[in-house]
Order: sequence, then structure tokens, then C-alpha cells
Amino acid sequence: ETGVTQTPRHLVMGMTNKKSLKCEQHLGHNAMYWYKQSAKKPLELMFVYNFKEQTENNSVPSRFSPECPNSSHLFLHLHTLQPEDSALYLCASSQADGYQPQHFGDGTRLSIL
Amino acid sequence: GNSVTQMEGPVTLSEEAFLTINCTYTATGYPSLFWYVQYPGEGLQLLLKATKADDKGSNKGFEATYRKETTSFHLEKGSVQVSDSAVYFCALRPRRGSGGSNYKLTFGKGTLLTVNP
Repeated sequence: ETGVTQTPRHLVMGMTNKKSLKCEQHLGHNAMYWYKQSAKKPLELMFVYNFKEQTENNSVPSRFSPECPNSSHLFLHLHTLQPEDSALYLCASSQADGYQPQHFGDGTRLSIL
Repeated sequence: GNSVTQMEGPVTLSEEAFLTINCTYTATGYPSLFWYVQYPGEGLQLLLKATKADDKGSNKGFEATYRKETTSFHLEKGSVQVSDSAVYFCALRPRRGSGGSNYKLTFGKGTLLTVNP
């Protein structure tokens, strides 16, 4: 059982749809992250939440809206996406302090029609 | 700022060949260093880590040694298997107090490894 669970695993949506990605971690971590992984591009950090507070937004377009209701759950709300937003979206968690690594979920493969 | 440079792929090897994937880094102080592996259709999995100079991380036959003098963390395996085919990412996490966010990982671009039978 993975400590970080992402749902759905696959999502196909039109540009005018609204959908949400969900991430849940069972590791007792207090920091959570959203990454975007596109083909032939480096892993891009999108958002960081530290003790439920957003501490980083790497110039992500407003059509991506994160939400972190508690330290175990993280959402990414999507609306009016563009074809270039098609990618694998990865969630990760870690302890916010110290030397411990991030633990990743298996990602949501998003395709925009 | 912090950065990680790893060798460009793809790397193609025959089964039982020796593997080296080079990784060098730039960071303030003494970061923690990691290798992650991503199998097809999956997220990233931590493969091994090292938190201080001269530490050797090891897992599943893979090894990497934290070399402060050369700012390197090269990944090695003596005999690769077909099941090792994946993308490998080198990453660093700054040490607390070294400036900036200590919880952010900086990743290399990834190296695709294909092992043929």
C-alpha cells in the first residue's frame, strides 16, 4: 500500500469542464506538494503546503486552484484548462523539517481534449 | 540557487551490464541527496538517500556515495536487470539554515534507462 494515494489515476476532460484531483497521505507528514510532469520536460513544482498553509506558488496559472483542508489531504481544482495542461500530476508529502525525502503518489494522468 | 545536473539519456544496456548514471549538484552547505526511480505508469519512488558527506546509500543493488569534494552522487549498479528499466532522478534537499526553503527538492531532468535481455 502506497503511503500517498491519488485519485483518479486517469482523467479526460474538455477545456470548459471543472474537475478536481485528490491526494491523501497516510504517513503523518505535514508538508504536501503538487508537481507537473510533462513529456520531455523536467519535473515542475507547482505548489507547496506546509502545515496546511500555502508556502509556494511557482507562477502557476489561476486555472489551477489548490486546496489543503488538513495535513493529510490535498486537492487540485481544475477549470478552463488548455491542451498544454495535459500531463501527469504528482502529489508528494514529507516532513516539513529535517532531512527526510518526499514520498510520491502514482499520479493522475490528465488529458485535455 | 540549488541545481542538479545528471547525465543525459537515454542509456541502453544489456542485462548484467554495469550501470553508472552521473549526478553532480550545486548547493549551499551540505544538502541531503536522493535518487528516485519512476517505473512506467507510476509515480516516483525513493531508491536511496545520503544525508552527509561520505555516506553511501544503497538499495536493490544500487549504490551512490555522497562526495563532497566533487559535489557528486553517482548512481551505480553492478549487474542490471530488465526490471530496472525506468527513469532515474537525482535530487537534493537543502539543509535547514542554509537559506531558503529546506523542504523543497531540486530534481535533475531524469535519465531513461532501458535494459535489454
